Amino acid sequence: KQEVTQIPAALSVPEGENLVLNCSFTDSAIYNLQWFRQDPGKGLTSLLLIQSSQREQTSGRLNASLDKSSGRSTLYIAASQPGDSATYLCAVAGSYQLTFGKGTKLSVIP
Amino acid sequence: GAVVSQHPSRVICKSGTSVKIECRSLDFQATTMFWYRQFPKQSLMLMATSNEGSKATYEQGVEKDKFLINHASLTLSTLTVTSAHPEDSSFYICSASKAGELRETQYFGPGTRLLVL
Repeated sequence: KQEVTQIPAALSVPEGENLVLNCSFTDSAIYNLQWFRQDPGKGLTSLLLIQSSQREQTSGRLNASLDKSSGRSTLYIAASQPGDSATYLCAVAGSYQLTFGKGTKLSVIP
Repeated sequence: GAVVSQHPSRVICKSGTSVKIECRSLDFQATTMFWYRQFPKQSLMLMATSNEGSKATYEQGVEKDKFLINHASLTLSTLTVTSAHPEDSSFYICSASKAGELRETQYFGPGTRLLVL
């Protein structure tokens, strides 16, 4: 059974800092890995999707990497802003379903 | 685009009553819809997977008689929480996969907050 772990559970940084969120998974037989953003009481916003054959994806200030063999992914956020404050979820796509981590709650302090 | 809506966005009900939550794919046909539940500070947990016109497949530990899922068309799935109890209070999120795309690519609705008093 796939298990997804996200570290840290919470992170607080001053505005402008670069930061890295970590995601690890136990079963490397995945189709893709996706990073989502979730604001309090809201649904999910897809940020980046990395196919199993890819190493990284970039969108604006976000960069996600994938090392399938070691079961790890990182989400890099450059020049953080208060508007980046949210919970970031990592989800791994296996056979017909997604397995989510518990998320990292990010607070960017102005 | 691939927009999924949910209705209602939040609902408060009395213990013992039933609540229906709708999930609609607005601009695409959804061959498969998924229902997730998220408790505070927890990850999304898959409850069930439904394909249009067939019975839903429930995950282990999810009572199919309590959480009734109907996927009557390619754009609508409903989740009915029957005889709701306070422990059913949670955030329910649906997602849908497009016809022609892999099931692993899912488009998520905005969620429904259920509070059972």
